[in-house]
Amino acid sequence: DIQMTQSPSSLSASVGDRVTITCRASQSINSYLNWYQQKPGKAPNLLIYAASNLHSGVPSRFSGSGSGTDFTLTISSLQPEDFATYYCQQSFTTSLTFGGGTKVAIK
Amino acid sequence: QITLKESGPTLMKPTQTLTLTCTFSGFSLTTNRVGVGWIRQPPGKALEWLALIYWDGDKRYSPSLKSRLTITKDTSKNQVVLTMTNMDPVDTATYYCAHARSWYGYYFDDWGQGTLVTVSS
Repeated sequence: DIQMTQSPSSLSASVGDRVTITCRASQSINSYLNWYQQKPGKAPNLLIYAASNLHSGVPSRFSGSGSGTDFTLTISSLQPEDFATYYCQQSFTTSLTFGGGTKVAIK
Repeated sequence: QITLKESGPTLMKPTQTLTLTCTFSGFSLTTNRVGVGWIRQPPGKALEWLALIYWDGDKRYSPSLKSRLTITKDTSKNQVVLTMTNMDPVDTATYYCAHARSWYGYYFDDWGQGTLVTVSS
């Protein structure tokens, strides 16, 4: 299995802050990397697919970058509705794996 | 509009077999490069992928759970069924089904609301 490691596991930030979340794969996965947002008690929602492609309807303050083993999700200006947990997921192999999650909390 | 909904038991005893049904609308599971997957999430923990069935009938399972899982589809009913044998309290989780699309591998772009399954004696 390809292991996905997210950092940090949690962070505190203020509205308007620029936030960066990192996801590292245990081996190269090219651009086969997807990002999700999950709010408490709700199902995850797709944000980014194939490392840098914004899913339909997702605000442009979200962006993804990276290739190989290291990837980042950036929120350019944190909004109140962005406080949530974020997960990465690799789709390089048919044995899919998620990262451990990054919880973004209010400072 | 794609919708998915999970159904099945909410409470199980250890050693029992779990059967979950995902009923979907808004797409066909015969469409090229489409699939339906199952993902679970224990309370307070991360997401864990379980299984995926593809448009062409191919199937993939989590290696750690492969011996316990079976995924099937009924295209005429727009349903996907997941069975998990020998349930244990550690399998207590919210189980989600999700529509999968292929572009640089498969990702999940629409999810069901999830169903909480509790395993307890």
